Amino acid sequence: AQSVSQHNHHVILSEAASLELGCNYSYGGTVNLFWYVQYPGQHLQLLLKYFSGDPLVKGIKGFEAEFIKSKFSFNLRKPSVQWSDTAEYFCAVRKGSSASKIIFGSGTRLSIRP
Amino acid sequence: SAVISQKPSRDICQRGTSLTIQCQVDSQVTMMFWYRQQPGQSLTLIATANQGSEATYESGFVIDKFPISRPNLTFSTLTVSNMSPEDSSIYLCSVEASGTTDTQYFGPGTRLTVL
Repeated sequence: AQSVSQHNHHVILSEAASLELGCNYSYGGTVNLFWYVQYPGQHLQLLLKYFSGDPLVKGIKGFEAEFIKSKFSFNLRKPSVQWSDTAEYFCAVRKGSSASKIIFGSGTRLSIRP
Repeated sequence: SAVISQKPSRDICQRGTSLTIQCQVDSQVTMMFWYRQQPGQSLTLIATANQGSEATYESGFVIDKFPISRPNLTFSTLTVSNMSPEDSSIYLCSVEASGTTDTQYFGPGTRLTVL
């Protein structure tokens, strides 16, 4: 069965530190990949997505993610985090078909020390 | 994108009762989804609700427990029936917005506590 793994449950960083959140998936075919973010007290928002083309995807707020097909990975990165990046981050995967459901990872809580 | 609202935002209910959650979208959408997010866990899809057809339920979820209505292209309801404490969760409505490719947008969620 299709699955999504996020390796870190809780990450604590200081402001200006670099960030990388891991995401691996198990499906071997064509996939659509997503990162969603949930800020405290707010609803889930789309951070970025990959469907095809350039495997390095840039999203909102300075975030980017790289799709590495050989590693079944879609890690999220940001060179310098801010206190306002404190949130829960969810990686999600869908088989390359609009009829397929999206599978979410368990989420990573990011806490930024001011 | 799409703007999604849910009612109620939260509720505390007694065991054995039912709660209906409403989801309203600011534009017409074909596909609407209902998710559950249990404490400390990820999102799990309950069902997909397309207007004009029966909802499609995921494994582990049944219509008798989670009946869904989809009367038009901007509205849906999810009922959590005969509730038990295990149903305590956040319930989220999601839509696939017209004009976007395979991207889902989420409502603010309904936080349900069952005593």
